[in-house]
Amino acid sequence: GIQVEQSPPDLILQEGANSTLRCNFSDSVNNLQWFHQNPWGQLINLFYIPSGTKQNGRLSATTVATERYSLLYISSSQTTDSGVYFCAVVSGSARQLTFGSGTQLTVLP
Amino acid sequence: SQTIHQWPATLVQPVGSPLSLECTVEGTSNPNLYWYRQAAGRGLQLLFYSVGIGQISSEVPQNLSASRPQDRQFILSSKKLLLSDSGFYLCAWSVGFSLENEQFFGPGTRLTVL
Repeated sequence: GIQVEQSPPDLILQEGANSTLRCNFSDSVNNLQWFHQNPWGQLINLFYIPSGTKQNGRLSATTVATERYSLLYISSSQTTDSGVYFCAVVSGSARQLTFGSGTQLTVLP
Repeated sequence: SQTIHQWPATLVQPVGSPLSLECTVEGTSNPNLYWYRQAAGRGLQLLFYSVGIGQISSEVPQNLSASRPQDRQFILSSKKLLLSDSGFYLCAWSVGFSLENEQFFGPGTRLTVL
């Protein structure tokens, strides 16, 4: 099956800093999503982005499908951005999302 | 708008006891429904998915089963829980009849088996 790798595994930032999270995948994808898992475990949809670039406030994402990677940008980070960020993909005829192992982000005040 | 509910939110069960977790979706018809498990750590693993009433596909052989008795209801069950069944169980939905669609997750059930 498809492999999804996220980097870095852990990231510690000072409030106000910018960051880039990366997601590499091993095959072509029909669906790519970025999620933020908050401290209560809720998976919050950030972007549905199988290709192209999207922006939502301080967050933006870019997927270069031909090179099999996606980037999540967080600008002017806030303490509420802390949590685990997941990239997940659907490939081929599969219906399920295959998740990466996540990036644990900690934003310090 | 669509919403997805799961209950209970938390559950502590002894080894060998039965399990029933429920997931319901509102505001959409004929959704694809999914059960995922997140063990200690970060990875999420698909357990079951369903494209319609009574249609269940299992991804991982295990001690669990799933049923879809109604269009927007998805149930995860076990006859006898194992210690290894502990984890965070998440239900998700997506629009039916499409592979290229976005999945949305419920709030989850945290299960501890003692």
